[in-house]
Amino acid sequence: AQSVTQPDIHITVSEGASLELRCNYSYGATPYLFWYVQSPGQGLQLLLKYFSGDTLVQGIKGFEAEFKRSQSSFNLRKPSVHWSDAAEYFCAVGPTGGNEKLTFGTGTRLTIIP
Amino acid sequence: KAGVTQTPRYLIKTRGQQVTLSCSPISGHRSVSWYQQTPGQGLQFLFEYFSETQRNKGNFPGRFSGRQFSNSRSEMNVSTLELGDSALYLCASSLVADTDTQYFGPGTRLTVL
Repeated sequence: AQSVTQPDIHITVSEGASLELRCNYSYGATPYLFWYVQSPGQGLQLLLKYFSGDTLVQGIKGFEAEFKRSQSSFNLRKPSVHWSDAAEYFCAVGPTGGNEKLTFGTGTRLTIIP
Repeated sequence: KAGVTQTPRYLIKTRGQQVTLSCSPISGHRSVSWYQQTPGQGLQFLFEYFSETQRNKGNFPGRFSGRQFSNSRSEMNVSTLELGDSALYLCASSLVADTDTQYFGPGTRLTVL
């Protein structure tokens, strides 16, 4: 069965520092991978997606992610974080071929300190 | 283009009652999916509708049901509410195919007392 693992429950970084959020997936075929961000009390906003092609994907708000098939990873990066980046970040894989439309990781909560 | 809208944004119900949540997808989108988000279980897929037909269903009891109308708007219903049904219910729409990107609404916060 497909699954997504986000090993970091909570990350704290200083404003202006670089960021990397980890995501590992388990999927039988070529996955479609997504990163979403959720601010408190809000829905999910799509940051970026990988379907095929170039393994380095650019998204909104200065985020990028790199698909590494050999490591089953799709880590999210940003060179310099802003206080407004504080939120919860979800990695997802889909479609799964089964009943699930999208399978989400458990999320990583990002805190930014001045 | 307007995003996914969900109504109401907040609901308070008591155990045993039933509730109906509504979702209007992005114009032109024909697929609507529903997710439940709780602190303990995270984001879980409930079901997906496409052209008024349920295509996929997650692992939820029969108390959770949904439907889609000809204009692609969707409703989900939860009968005989339990305390554990307290959650943020998110609706997402996509154009057509399985691989299409899903765009999420702001959610409906349901509290069951």
